[in-house]
Amino acid sequence: EAQVTQNPRYLITVTGKKLTVTCSQNMNHEYMSWYRQDPGLGLRQIYYSMNVEVTDKGDVPEGYKVSRKEKRNFPLILESPSPNQTSLYFCASSFKAGGGKLYGYTFGSGTRLTVV
Amino acid sequence: GDSVTQMEGPVTLSEEAFLTINCTYTATGYPSLFWYVQYPGEGLQLLLKATKADDKGSNKGFEATYRKETTSFHLEKGSVQVSDSAVYFCALSQTGANNLFFGTGTRLTVIP
Repeated sequence: EAQVTQNPRYLITVTGKKLTVTCSQNMNHEYMSWYRQDPGLGLRQIYYSMNVEVTDKGDVPEGYKVSRKEKRNFPLILESPSPNQTSLYFCASSFKAGGGKLYGYTFGSGTRLTVV
Repeated sequence: GDSVTQMEGPVTLSEEAFLTINCTYTATGYPSLFWYVQYPGEGLQLLLKATKADDKGSNKGFEATYRKETTSFHLEKGSVQVSDSAVYFCALSQTGANNLFFGTGTRLTVIP
């Protein structure tokens, strides 16, 4: 089954304690992305990756890191989490069709992070 | 820059009522347009899409028509069910962009 798998689904942590949220896709997509979802703000892109070893900032990258060492994996790293990073996080992958548009976005089930 | 504006919710309807969720966009050129649905506790799922002007996307009884003249992509369903209760997101993809631009989402609740 084609899917994007995120772990963990729920995480409660304390301020300053480094954490990693994993994301893996089995569709051989080149493009992967992280979003955070907050009430009234919709989805905002944190980082994206066009391919292995190619990553770039989205709209709200502060406080986050990513890496893309393998095509299927795109972990999100919070080096020193703070309460304002409490949110619902989604990983997504996609292919780019002819014309350079993103199609077939597939989302993971989400990770609800609480930083206290 | 590119953006999507959708009607604020929440929207509460009785079962079998007609649904419209408005979505308008701002973009240069010819973006592709999408509706995503998020059921409680789940990730977003693609509901339907349209890639060029006058295209109609449809799925599960939902429809939306790409109207370039009004820069709109309103979501409609003739008869909603309780199982349609979810949050609906309008989104666009621009040629060469590295992002989907999402609206803020509209929560729909259908009551029996």
